Amino acid sequence: EAGVAQSPRYKIIEKRQSVAFWCNPISGHATLYWYQQILGQGPKLLIQFQNNGVVDDSQLPKDRFSAERLKGVDSTLKIQPAKLEDSAVYLCASSGGGRSSWYEQYFGPGTRLTVT
Amino acid sequence: AQSVTQPDIHITVSEGASLELRCNYSYGATPYLFWYVQSPGQGLQLLLKYFSGDTLVQGIKGFEAEFKRSQSSFNLRKPSVHWSDAAEYFCAVGAGAGANNLFFGTGTRLTVIP
Repeated sequence: EAGVAQSPRYKIIEKRQSVAFWCNPISGHATLYWYQQILGQGPKLLIQFQNNGVVDDSQLPKDRFSAERLKGVDSTLKIQPAKLEDSAVYLCASSGGGRSSWYEQYFGPGTRLTVT
Repeated sequence: AQSVTQPDIHITVSEGASLELRCNYSYGATPYLFWYVQSPGQGLQLLLKYFSGDTLVQGIKGFEAEFKRSQSSFNLRKPSVHWSDAAEYFCAVGAGAGANNLFFGTGTRLTVIP
């Protein structure tokens, strides 16, 4: 089966510009996650969707970050305006959502964002 | 609050040598614990998990981990390291209502020398 797809793989923008990342989860996976991984740190959950509803967005900086999963399939994460400290790898992951497989999150390759 | 500590930022081992990566966690309830591996330019891959039961869990690629509640540890081991094991390793604890919010440690980078 195809894995989690993300695009673009790399993005360089100037501060105060906007940027959007796209994620297509594994087919049939109900739960979708966006993580931010700053260099030298572990991934940090930004937002979790169950189908097209938000389960947890407590760590999402809502003044500049937004995310949507309109049809319960693919998702977009946006940053507007970007700051230097947003430079990171943005990882998307998905999981089945059922009790038998909730724990196994499948990760995409990530989008490396550099803000200059 | 939940947290994960990986005390070793970088470890270097010779190919064929044994490996142990340390992980300590802090969590109020029974933890769900995970080890993930991240190769350069790749996403994270689940190596193994612990929910309950046998405290020694087996994973993929010949890895195992032992849960020690008294020490709040979940160390990852491999008896003989291969050059392809060079990567970043992350320990994580699952929290939240469904325990599917993962809190990751800062990672340990493994270098394997021939």
